This record gives sequence, structure tokens and C-alpha cells, in this order.
Amino acid sequence: KQEVTQIPAALSVPEGENLVLNCSFTDSAIYNLQWFRQDPGKGLTSLLLIQSSQREQTSGRLNASLDKSSGRSTLYIAASQPGDSATYLCAPTEGGSEKLVFGKGTKLTVNP
Amino acid sequence: EPEVTQTPSHQVTQMGQEVILRCVPISNHLYFYWYRQILGQKVEFLVSFYNNEISEKSEIFDDQFSVERPDGSNFTLKIRSTKLEDSAMYFCASSDYRDFYGYTFGSGTRLTVV
Repeated sequence: KQEVTQIPAALSVPEGENLVLNCSFTDSAIYNLQWFRQDPGKGLTSLLLIQSSQREQTSGRLNASLDKSSGRSTLYIAASQPGDSATYLCAPTEGGSEKLVFGKGTKLTVNP
Repeated sequence: EPEVTQTPSHQVTQMGQEVILRCVPISNHLYFYWYRQILGQKVEFLVSFYNNEISEKSEIFDDQFSVERPDGSNFTLKIRSTKLEDSAMYFCASSDYRDFYGYTFGSGTRLTVV
């Protein structure tokens, strides 16, 4: 059974900092891994999708890496802005299944 | 950009009542899902649906739950007799191909059972 851990649980940084959010998972037989953003009381916005055969994906100021063998993914946010404040969720698939397994998330606050 | 649409955004119901949560997936997507998030907890998988049948379901998805694609555009989740512990945000998602394009989630329906 896939277990997902995200560290740190919460992070508060000043505007402009580069930061790294960490995700670890127990079952490396994944199809893919997605990073999502969730604003309070809102839905899930997909940020990046990494296929199991890929090592990283980039979109604007976001870069996600995947090390499937060690069960780790990181989300790198460059030059953080107050609008980046949200909870970031990591969700790999479970081995042999298309279902996503979510971590508890990292709550990011970027202070002006 | 194509969206997954969920209605209603918030529903309040009395314990024991039936509720139907509605979703309109992205039009060319073939795989449909329901997830839920109890306040303060992780997002949890409920069920996946492909080719007019359930392809996978979790232990949460018991006989009180059912899903249906009644026409070419809607995808519904029915809870037959709601319990207090069914109070949660319910998310619908769709995907056009399980391996390559990821999942698009709707904005959710907040279900409150009183």
C-alpha cells in the first residue's frame, strides 16, 4: 500500500526566496506523480505531472524532480511570491493502479 | 482551458437522506474518478470509472455509494443514506489517458450532513 509523506508540514518564507518541498513514497512502482496546489476551501490545481520514466518537469518558476528508485520527489519554487501561498500536495499513483495517493501536504506562506 | 465542473458547490443534507453529487468531466476524457477530503485530512480515493463500469474502488466506497454516467456528459456520485461522517469535500476528476496526461480535478462539492 502506497504511503506518502511530505516534509515540512508548514513553511513560512519571505518573498523572493527559493524553496524546496519534499515528498517521499513507499511504493516505487508508480505510473506517474503529480504535484497539486490547494487554496483554502478550494479544489486541486495541477501544477506538474512527472511520468515514471522521467526525472524532472518544469513549468515557469516550478521544477519537480522524481527519483523513483529511492521513492522521492521534490518541488522547487524559484523566487517565491505571496501568491504562491497555498498547500502543496504530492500524489503518486499506487503500484499497478491509476489511483492517486495523496500526502498531507506542505502549507506554504510567502510573506511580502 | 477545459474544466471539470461540479455542482452544487455546497450541499447541506439531513442524516439518512440521499444525495447526488454531479460532475461534468472534460468532454474527450475517458476515465472518471471521485475523491473526498474530510476537513483537515488527506485527499482519499473513492472510485474510478471507465467504459461504463467501476474499474477500482476503495474500502470507503461501500454499498451506500454508487456512481453513474447517465448520459454522455454527466458523472454522478450517489450516497444513499448519509451519515455524519460523510461530511467532506468531494472532488470529481477526469483523465484522457491514465499514463500520460494526469488528472484534472473539479473545484469540489462541500457536503455537510447534519
